[in-house]
Amino acid sequence: AQRVTQPEKLLSVFKGAPVELKCNYSYSGSPELFWYVQYSRQRLQLLLRHISRESIKGFTADLNKGETSFHLKKPFAQEEDSAMYYCALFSRGAQKLVFGQGTRLTINP
Amino acid sequence: DADVTQTPRNRITKTGKRIMLECSQTKGHDRMYWYRQDPGLGLRLIYYSFDVKDINKGEISDGYSVSRQAQAKFSLSLESAIPNQTALYFCATSEAMNTGELFFGEGSRLTVL
Repeated sequence: AQRVTQPEKLLSVFKGAPVELKCNYSYSGSPELFWYVQYSRQRLQLLLRHISRESIKGFTADLNKGETSFHLKKPFAQEEDSAMYYCALFSRGAQKLVFGQGTRLTINP
Repeated sequence: DADVTQTPRNRITKTGKRIMLECSQTKGHDRMYWYRQDPGLGLRLIYYSFDVKDINKGEISDGYSVSRQAQAKFSLSLESAIPNQTALYFCATSEAMNTGELFFGEGSRLTVL
């Protein structure tokens, strides 16, 4: 069965500090992983996907198949990064997206 | 320019009442989804539809039903609401060849007293 685990419900860091939001997954096939973000009073939206290997708003995420992880990182946090972040796993066979529990990130000034 | 619209945005109801949450989209997507968001549990899939004639149960479909009235409309019903169905409900859409990118509505907050 596919599962996504985000061990931290809440994460608080100071502006300018590095940020790492953890995500671990369980999946028997070849995983396709995503990070979604929900800013205050905005819709949930796609932040980045592992196959793109891109940096969005300074965030990056590397798929580590050995550790079954897809942690989201940013070297210098900004106040506008405060939001709810969800890691998600796409099952191509079932054509469904499974979300983790979410991590609420707060950036303190 | 809202592409995925949910109504109502907020609703308070009593135990045992029938409730319908509606979702409409102008993106032209074939696939539509209903998720439920609860603190600490993330988003859980209730039902999904790949086209008008294809409706599937998600991981938490008990107590819910859906109707896909047209490509653009997907409604979620609670036939007899109970307090533990108090949650934030999200509708989402995706293209037919799903790449994992979903487009979400703004959410419908339901409170069952």
